[in-house]
Amino acid sequence: GESVGLHLPTLSVQEGDNSIINCAYSNSASDYFIWYKQESGKGPQFIIDIRSNMDKRQGQRVTVLLNKTVKHLSLQIAATQPGDSAVYFCAENGGFSSGGSNYKLTFGKGTLLTVNP
Amino acid sequence: DAGITQSPRHKVTETGTPVTLRCHQTENHRYMYWYRQDPGHGLRLIHYSYGVKDTDKGEVSDGYSVSRSKTEDFLLTLESATSSQTSVYFCAIRIRGVSEAFFGQGTRLTVV
Repeated sequence: GESVGLHLPTLSVQEGDNSIINCAYSNSASDYFIWYKQESGKGPQFIIDIRSNMDKRQGQRVTVLLNKTVKHLSLQIAATQPGDSAVYFCAENGGFSSGGSNYKLTFGKGTLLTVNP
Repeated sequence: DAGITQSPRHKVTETGTPVTLRCHQTENHRYMYWYRQDPGHGLRLIHYSYGVKDTDKGEVSDGYSVSRSKTEDFLLTLESATSSQTSVYFCAIRIRGVSEAFFGQGTRLTVV
């Protein structure tokens, strides 16, 4: 899920297949994680979130898995549809910074999902 | 859009000129953020605010300043724009400190 250079990682799937998008996070103190979907020309939209005391959470057609041991997050999309084509970002909440309850949300570089009809 | 309005939506400016981007929210949420988005870098945090007159730096704050004199407005200022600040800028709000962020539609800034 992390980008190399200027090119986004890409995932191309057939309509109806399941998609798995991966993300590695860096801060072992992060306590909250979010997946966002961004379509061309729009701002990121919330898909699903998970707290660090959980390892799995399911939504409508989406599942997020969290492996804190290896600091890895994944987003599974069931029965992928053409409307799922977008860039997907994971984000981590770094928890408290020094001096108070200030909440930074740090994003990964994104993965481009293309769904072929 | 969680009541977030960014203005302007598009701007072209010359190198060395000051530029201010505005983020306005209608729901009195405490936490507001400014991000920039560039190819290959995803979304990077510039500055954020956790209350009126309470702001802090993000990972790419050099060349930017912010102000929050009232809950509903969070202003991002480029004191002297450079070509490296050509980007798409997104404002975001969070309802609570640990919750999802809602994003505005973005401002496309071009510095020539």
